[in-house]
Amino acid sequence: DSGVTQTPKHLITATGQRVTLRCSPRSGDLSVYWYQQSLDQGLQFLIQYYNGEERAKGNILERFSAQQFPDLHSELNLSSLELGDSALYFCASSPGLADRDTQYFGPGTRLTVL
Amino acid sequence: GQSLEQPSEVTAVEGAIVQINCTYQTSGFYGLSWYQQHDGGAPTFLSYNALDGLEETGRFSSFLSRSDSYGYLLLQELQMKDSASYFCAVVRDDKIIFGKGTRLHILP
Repeated sequence: DSGVTQTPKHLITATGQRVTLRCSPRSGDLSVYWYQQSLDQGLQFLIQYYNGEERAKGNILERFSAQQFPDLHSELNLSSLELGDSALYFCASSPGLADRDTQYFGPGTRLTVL
Repeated sequence: GQSLEQPSEVTAVEGAIVQINCTYQTSGFYGLSWYQQHDGGAPTFLSYNALDGLEETGRFSSFLSRSDSYGYLLLQELQMKDSASYFCAVVRDDKIIFGKGTRLHILP
């Protein structure tokens, strides 16, 4: 158990819909990262937040957005969903900024778009 | 471009030693990390090389050579539970880049 929690574990929805994925980092960790993992694309970095502020952006679509709240939990919002958005979405955390190389991953949310 | 190349699959025998290579076409990163992911599970951090050379953590060792744009993960005394996918990763320009992963098959 990494100490990172994600909800829900599974999510099934239809194209065009909007969903919110939630992540609680390990106690004391200030950085939260979001990743998308699909079979053909591997693990893709989406976005990083540090202590409530956006810190780095990867291959995140404009239909996707995220935020980190004062209690450090984070949410990833996916809108206008398409079939291709079906994937595993992982959240990870690390204590600070200088340790992006050592991250602790949550169990993931499996999103299925029908 | 920025990419990390790993073999897609490697097969080894239980009790043996296996090396998973990672070559990269990017520069200016701080170090090389390795993660393990079992089927249906989340990636788990294994090791990080900030400097060139070998880092050892139990049965696992990791190596980095910046001059050769190359790193590897070495797994010794293979156990069936080591069957998993292994990813190398770097941080560059504040972005984390993962290789596509190497699926390790272990034969009894």
